[in-house]
Amino acid sequence: EVQLVQSGAEVKKPGESLKISCQGSGYSFTSYWIGWVRQMPGKGLEWMGIIYPGDSDTRYSPSFQGQVTISADKSISTAYLQWSSLKALDTAMYYCARILVEMTTIVVDYWGQGTLVTVSS
Amino acid sequence: QTVVTQEPSLTVSPGGTVTLTCASSTGAVTSGYYPNWFQQKPGQAPRALIYSTNNKHSWTPARFSGSLLGGKAALTLSGVQPEDEAEYYCLLYYGGAVVFGGGTKMTVL
Repeated sequence: EVQLVQSGAEVKKPGESLKISCQGSGYSFTSYWIGWVRQMPGKGLEWMGIIYPGDSDTRYSPSFQGQVTISADKSISTAYLQWSSLKALDTAMYYCARILVEMTTIVVDYWGQGTLVTVSS
Repeated sequence: QTVVTQEPSLTVSPGGTVTLTCASSTGAVTSGYYPNWFQQKPGQAPRALIYSTNNKHSWTPARFSGSLLGGKAALTLSGVQPEDEAEYYCLLYYGGAVVFGGGTKMTVL
């Protein structure tokens, strides 16, 4: 059974750093991309970026380039999303999702349960 | 900045049929944008419904179908059930960039 399990909720202060995780199981972790998606309170889904754990190829959405860092450790089938200095506007639910990219198809199928990040002084 | 536009809200009666659309600010949506569709209920993670325009996942109910319609990607629900009340999002691929639509809140009434 394919599963993406995300780390638990976090409460942080502005200026603090944070790294959240997404662990995949039930499939070949290095054969699929992992994407990160932000959902601010009461708002829609926003694409942040993706990483291919097989070779750590990483692509960022322009809105998030320089604001976050996406990484992966294929030895433990885990992808990460990190901030060096959080802001109150980073308060949101963050989801990871599995993505298959091939010549003739793009499939976003399995999603993690989400990690709620709250940034407040 | 590419914008993907969906109907903000739609209301449908149980048993009815409804079509949600997904338009691109760059022009007509084609199969090369690989439209994906997702359903999200309050307090839940999104759930994938359709990929690459019209392909269903193994868990997607038969009443959901995807297509291209009038230069847009479309999601059609035939025989709507009360449990289909949710927010629906489309996703389009722009040769390396990915953009979500703003979502359609579908009410079953």
